[in-house]
Amino acid sequence: DADVTQTPRNRITKTGKRIMLECSQTKGHDRMYWYRQDPGLGLRLIYYSFDVKDINKGEISDGYSVSRQAQAKFSLSLESAIPNQTALYFCATGTGGNGELFFGEGSRLTVL
Amino acid sequence: GQSLEQPSEVTAVEGAIVQINCTYQTSGFYGLSWYQQHDGGAPTFLSYNALDGLEETGRFSSFLSRSDSYGYLLLQELQMKDSASYFCAVRDQGGFKTIFGAGTRLFVKA
Repeated sequence: DADVTQTPRNRITKTGKRIMLECSQTKGHDRMYWYRQDPGLGLRLIYYSFDVKDINKGEISDGYSVSRQAQAKFSLSLESAIPNQTALYFCATGTGGNGELFFGEGSRLTVL
Repeated sequence: GQSLEQPSEVTAVEGAIVQINCTYQTSGFYGLSWYQQHDGGAPTFLSYNALDGLEETGRFSSFLSRSDSYGYLLLQELQMKDSASYFCAVRDQGGFKTIFGAGTRLFVKA
């Protein structure tokens, strides 16, 4: 089993729908992150969290919200999806040290 | 704010050496990382530099000059499987968050 698991892996939805992407990890890391990847734009940070009581906005948090339900679970929500939120979304975990991030396999979201 | 610049594409021949440069502007700096991503896959960590100098890991090396806000990834003895996208990433002051560059697509030709 993967150390960082994202569900769903693929989702097609319509404009205005609420969508939740879920992430769970078995690495025991405190830090969890949500990134969005678009062609030519690299990975952009949406939100990050250091524990269940700590939530921080990243570079592009508008239109997104998150919930850290437990140390191992970090979910990303789009309250009212719009087409320009069509992208590949990655969850990642990490510790301090060398800052290595461990990524999930990604969730491809298409908003029609 | 923070910004990172790296070339969008690099092409090299199998067996050759290639260098991917990264310049950054940050309000604080904690370290520079490099990640590899194959098509359809997730990014995977390659290296990390917190101090000036060269770090070597097998065929891959990474260099950092903090005074120049510059680093590079050096790939030696290129193999076809090295064809992928490579991202530089900066950890901000305190190491709380990691910001990525737009990525460099490396094409390795036979």
